[in-house]
Amino acid sequence: DTAVSQTPKYLVTQMGNDKSIKCEQNLGHDTMYWYKQDSKKFLKIMFSYNNKELIINETVPNRFSPKSPDKAHLNLHINSLELGDSAVYFCASSQVAPGGETQYFGPGTRLLVL
Amino acid sequence: GENVEQHPSTLSVQEGDSAVIKCTYSDSASNYFPWYKQELGKGPQLIIDIRSNVGEKKDQRIAVTLNKTAKHFSLHITETQPEDSAVYFCAASRSNTGKLIFGQGTTLQVKP
Repeated sequence: DTAVSQTPKYLVTQMGNDKSIKCEQNLGHDTMYWYKQDSKKFLKIMFSYNNKELIINETVPNRFSPKSPDKAHLNLHINSLELGDSAVYFCASSQVAPGGETQYFGPGTRLLVL
Repeated sequence: GENVEQHPSTLSVQEGDSAVIKCTYSDSASNYFPWYKQELGKGPQLIIDIRSNVGEKKDQRIAVTLNKTAKHFSLHITETQPEDSAVYFCAASRSNTGKLIFGQGTTLQVKP
């Protein structure tokens, strides 16, 4: 029943490793997003996909690569993890239609890089 | 660049009192202003939003006001309850761009 789901919920890994986070939405939305929330709770958009097409790509290291196999899924792959990548990563989705700006967030993936 | 400033960073009130959180945005083309509540260990959840063609919107104990000229918007919570305790975020965007610029967040504590 969960509208926006993410896996895993927790991820603890060593520096230098490569990891992926998965996101799925069952709301029928066209647009999906990745946000990063740092230790001070600041939320910043990283990427946005609309119907599998990248439309927002903020200044994010190219070690981060999003992939959208279909409009219901948006995954985030991170190469060569660094200590500073430790954060909570949120996936969100919304509808494109006018008045459909509301973004629905997933529960988050807590990434800790040791 | 686009920026949203939010104040205060922490707010403590007695149950039953009102709470007000204020935000200022820099992009004059912004026309969509949502407010999100984030409970511990959960994702942000939309509680109310307002568009630039409206000055005020109310939903039960929650109201939002917008002053486009001054580029200010505020969240008002009346008759606060302990379950209102959470982190609240304001955000601004140009409608349908999807690019939400968030404020820094306000940690609200409602004391019973």
